[in-house]
Amino acid sequence: QVQLQESGPGLVKPSQTLSLTCTVSGGSISSGRYYWSWIRQPAGKGLEWIGRIYTGGGTDYNPSLKSRVTISVDTSRNQFSLRLSSVTAADTAVYYCARFSGTMIVPYYFDYWGQGTLVTVSS
Amino acid sequence: DIQMTQSPSSLSASVGDRVTITCRASQSISVYLNWYQQKPGKAPKLLIYAASSLQSGVPSRFSGSGSGTDFTLTISSLQPEDFAIYYCQQSYSNSGFGQGTRLEIK
Repeated sequence: QVQLQESGPGLVKPSQTLSLTCTVSGGSISSGRYYWSWIRQPAGKGLEWIGRIYTGGGTDYNPSLKSRVTISVDTSRNQFSLRLSSVTAADTAVYYCARFSGTMIVPYYFDYWGQGTLVTVSS
Repeated sequence: DIQMTQSPSSLSASVGDRVTITCRASQSISVYLNWYQQKPGKAPKLLIYAASSLQSGVPSRFSGSGSGTDFTLTISSLQPEDFAIYYCQQSYSNSGFGQGTRLEIK
């Protein structure tokens, strides 16, 4: 059974960089079929896709966040990470990591999610 | 960017009711449409993928249909555990979610 677990600081100061890590267990992050993704959700609001990384190479980001986001992967630790720079209060949210699965025939979907971690941006 | 619009934003229904939630894409996305259920304090759970395929372990009272720009999620007979927020998500171009539909007990 695949499991994902987010970790990182729960409080970040404005203008600083938010950094989170997602640890994958129960399967190899290097499997070529998957994209590893970050999604966030402000309190009481909907889901916002942040971006994804394919361990074969390549990243895709939400255009609205692209200038501030970096997603990277550490296959030796079975982890992938999110960095969001120049944060403001608007970046306060629960941040989820998730696995994006699919094939050439079956369209992709998020099948496994972490439990989410609350990150608050405040001085 | 592809915009996803769900309707209604909220819905009150009773146990046993048949409920339909609609999701519309701003451009054709073929069947690149998924549905999720989210309960308070929990991560979303995949219900339907590729517009109409039921995820393993999801009760058969959930079904999805549609292609192109218009999609529906139907719950044939509401159960108490179905009261939650439902999101559609497109995977045609990057990813994007609808704004959600809150399903409440009448």
